[in-house]
Amino acid sequence: DAGVTQSPTHLIKTRGQHVTLRCSPISGHKSVSWYQQVLGQGPQFIFQYYEKEERGRGNFPDRFSARQFPNYSSELNVNALLLGDSALYLCASSLEGFTNEKLFFGSGTQLSVL
Amino acid sequence: GNSVTQMEGPVTLSEEAFLTINCTYTATGYPSLFWYVQYPGEGLQLLLKATKADDKGSNKGFEATYRKETTSFHLEKGSVQVSDSAVYFCALSDLRTGSARQLTFGSGTQLTVLP
Repeated sequence: DAGVTQSPTHLIKTRGQHVTLRCSPISGHKSVSWYQQVLGQGPQFIFQYYEKEERGRGNFPDRFSARQFPNYSSELNVNALLLGDSALYLCASSLEGFTNEKLFFGSGTQLSVL
Repeated sequence: GNSVTQMEGPVTLSEEAFLTINCTYTATGYPSLFWYVQYPGEGLQLLLKATKADDKGSNKGFEATYRKETTSFHLEKGSVQVSDSAVYFCALSDLRTGSARQLTFGSGTQLTVLP
């Protein structure tokens, strides 16, 4: 079975632009979470979605938004990009999204903002 | 709020050496504790977990014990291999943060094992 897949793997944007990152969860998984990992730091929680509804949101500005589709895939959108948005964006999926479920992470999308 | 503090890295060891990576946490509720590993170019993989005080998580020779009295979850391995070279993240998930499955991660510890 395929794991969590993310696209694209690498992306270069300039300040002020908009970006869309995509994630396909493991088949059968209904929950998708997004994390931002700045170089040298641990991942930080951005969003969790379950059954197309936002279940939780981390401490990120409104420039960050996400959605989940009927097939449980997800998009993360970032508007008005800043240099500080340069990071590895990780998507994780789980069956139901409950606290002690195992999370499966994708390899991430490396975003560089110039 | 919740936070996780890991020992500063990087850590460089010779093959077959003993490994300890320290992790302490602060949480308002009753957290579950995790160790994740990130190999170069890959996403995070769950290494082990413990869901309540005094639980010991173990996997692939790695162990960590949930110590509520010292709010710690130190990672240990008796004999490291070159293939263990990776970045290790301690993390917690608080059962009282509502329905969101939100992991709080430490800053990571880079481990390099030399042959």
